[in-house]
Amino acid sequence: SQQGEEDPQALSIQEGENATMNCSYKTSINNLQWYRQNSGRGLVHLILIRSNEREKHSGRLRVTLDTSKKSSSLLITASRAADTASYFCATDLSTGRRALTFGSGTRLQVQP
Amino acid sequence: GAVVSQHPSWVICKSGTSVKIECRSLDFQATTMFWYRQFPKQSLMLMATSNEGSKATYEQGVEKDKFLINHASLTLSTLTVTSAHPEDSSFYICSAREGVAGGLTSYNEQFFGPGTRLTVL
Repeated sequence: SQQGEEDPQALSIQEGENATMNCSYKTSINNLQWYRQNSGRGLVHLILIRSNEREKHSGRLRVTLDTSKKSSSLLITASRAADTASYFCATDLSTGRRALTFGSGTRLQVQP
Repeated sequence: GAVVSQHPSWVICKSGTSVKIECRSLDFQATTMFWYRQFPKQSLMLMATSNEGSKATYEQGVEKDKFLINHASLTLSTLTVTSAHPEDSSFYICSAREGVAGGLTSYNEQFFGPGTRLTVL
C-alpha cells in the first residue's frame, strides 16, 4: 500500500517560476527521498533527507522535512522546460520493512 | 557509483506466454532486491522483496505462482511473469540494496534499475 499522498497531483507553471510539491506520510521514517521520472523512463534519485534533518539543498532543489506533521516538500526554483516530469516522494520506514514506499506523485509541466 | 541494470528494457509478448525479466547489480553485491510495478500514470507499487538464497516475500494481492522470483546470486534476481495476460502489461522496476556495512554503498541505500516495459497482446 502507498505510504501517503502527494499534492498537487498535477502542476503546470511557466519557465522561470518556482514549483512546490508536498508529500505526506503516515508512519515513522528513517529517511525520505525524492525521485524524478520522465514519461516512460526509469527513476532518477534527486535527494535524500534523514529523519533528523529539517532542510536540504541540492542545486535548484530544496527539500524540507517536518516529522511532527509527517510531511515533506520539494521546491524547484527557476524551473526549466526540462524539469517537466513526475516527481515522487518515497519513505524508508522505521518499522524494518526495507523497501521504499512511494507517494502518489506529482506531474509537473513547465511551459517554455 | 552503484549501477543496477535490467534486461530486457521492453518486451512484447502474446497472451499466455511467460516472460523473464533480469535485474543485475553491476558493481556491488545486493543482499536484497525489490520488484515494483507501475501502471500508466500511477505510482510504483511494491510487488515482492527478494533475498539472496531464500524465498521471496510477496506483498498482499500479488500472486506468487504468477510472478516467480528467483534471487540465486548476490548480483542477479529474476522475475518471471507466467501465463501473461493483457492486464499484466506494465512497467516493472527492480531495485537493489547492498545491505551490509563496509561495502561499496551506504548499506541502507537503494538503487533502481531503468525498468522493463511489458506489453501483452
